[in-house]
Amino acid sequence: QVQLQESGPGVVKPSETLSLTCTVSGDSLSNNYWTWIRQPPGKGLEWIGYIFYRGSTSYNPSLKSRVSMSVDTSKKQFSLKMRSVTAADTAVYYCARGRGFYEAADSWGQGTLVIVSA
Amino acid sequence: QTVVTQEPSLTVSPGGTVTLTCASSTGAVTRSSYPNWFQQKPGRAPRALIYNTDNRYSWTPARFSGSLLGGRAALTLSGVQPEDEAEYYCLLSFGGSWVFGGGTELTVL
Repeated sequence: QVQLQESGPGVVKPSETLSLTCTVSGDSLSNNYWTWIRQPPGKGLEWIGYIFYRGSTSYNPSLKSRVSMSVDTSKKQFSLKMRSVTAADTAVYYCARGRGFYEAADSWGQGTLVIVSA
Repeated sequence: QTVVTQEPSLTVSPGGTVTLTCASSTGAVTRSSYPNWFQQKPGRAPRALIYNTDNRYSWTPARFSGSLLGGRAALTLSGVQPEDEAEYYCLLSFGGSWVFGGGTELTVL
């Protein structure tokens, strides 16, 4: 059974770069869409984007200018970077596995809270 | 910017049936939108329930079913159980990117 675990700083200063990593166990990275989703406190879910195991990406148009994703198949990890963060980027960040263009996120990590604060 | 709309809240009695819907600002939702549905309970990560309109996962109880209804994606719960009280989110595909609905808070009362 696949398991995903997010890791990274819990606090990021405004205008700096948020960096998170998701470590995958129980599955290879091959043939899957590795996805990031976030949820501000008390609010709904927002799809950030995905990276296919071969490296192609799709990002939320509203975040595209600040977001980048990468994948390291040897470490079974994929990563998210979000530049120039503000308080509005404070959220629980989830990583998830997508199985195809029709199946967005069948397995999720537990989530990690990132607070943007000076 | 594409907006996906769900009912903010619904209430259902135990044993009853309820349908949650998911509409797109771009027009009718079709199978090509590949609707996915998720359940989230307080303090927990979301759990996938339905993908590609009407496909259940192995862990999805049979009382959950997905469909298209009147130009919207729909999630129907039949024989609702108290443990079904949760927030439900739909997710639609738009040309390779995805957009979540705002969520429906389902109360079982």
